[in-house]
Amino acid sequence: NAGVTQTPKFQVLKTGQSMTLQCAQDMNHNSMYWYRQDPGMGLRLIYYSASEGTTDKGEVPNGYNVSRLNKREFSLRLESAAPSQTSVYFCASTARGRGYEQYFGPGTRLTVT
Amino acid sequence: KNQVEQSPQSLIILEGKNCTLQCNYTVSPFSNLRWYKQDTGRGPVSLTIMTFSENTKSNGRYTATLDADTKQSSLHITASQLSDSASYICVVSSQYDYKLSFGAGTTVTVRA
Repeated sequence: NAGVTQTPKFQVLKTGQSMTLQCAQDMNHNSMYWYRQDPGMGLRLIYYSASEGTTDKGEVPNGYNVSRLNKREFSLRLESAAPSQTSVYFCASTARGRGYEQYFGPGTRLTVT
Repeated sequence: KNQVEQSPQSLIILEGKNCTLQCNYTVSPFSNLRWYKQDTGRGPVSLTIMTFSENTKSNGRYTATLDADTKQSSLHITASQLSDSASYICVVSSQYDYKLSFGAGTTVTVRA
C-alpha cells in the first residue's frame, strides 16, 4: 500500500513549456486534490475532484488544468509555465469530501526559469 | 474569508524541552481542526483531528487542545526529540465547504 504517489519529484521548466504532474492513490479514495505550497503561505487549493468524473476549481486555478483519469489517478497540467508557478505541488486524497483525513503525496518541486 | 493564523512563525528548542504552538482561526461554521507535521521535503502527515465537542486529543508526545468558543487551538510537544524538527500546520475545515483552510505553519527546530 503506497498511499499517494507523485511523479516527478523535481522538475525544471523554461517559461512557456508545458508539463503534466501525475498523482495516483491506492486507498480507493473518492476525492483527490492538488495544492501548491509557497514559502510563508499555507497550502492553497488549485483544483479538486470530489469523485471520478468530476473536477472543480479551487482557490488558485489560473494557469492549470486537471484530469481525473479514473478513481486512482488525478493529473495536473501546466499548459504554458510561468515563473509565478515555481512552487511545491502536493496531491492529496480523502475517503469522503471534506470531513475525513487527507493523505498527502511527497510533493513535486517545480522551478520555472 | 476564512483564515488560520499560526504563531510563532518559528522556534528553536533544546532536546528534551517542551513547547507550545498556537493557532487562531476565523473559519465558520466550524467542522474540525487538524494538526499536521511536515518534515522537510515531505508531504504533511496528520497528527490529530478534533471536532467541536473535543477539547483535547493526544498522539504520543503531541497534545492538541481546542477552544471552539475563542476559536483557538494549541499543539504541545512534550520532551522534544531531534525528530520533532519539522513544520507544524494547523488546518481548519468548515461544515459547508469542501475546502480546508491552512495556516502557514510553525517551523520547529530541536537542537541537541
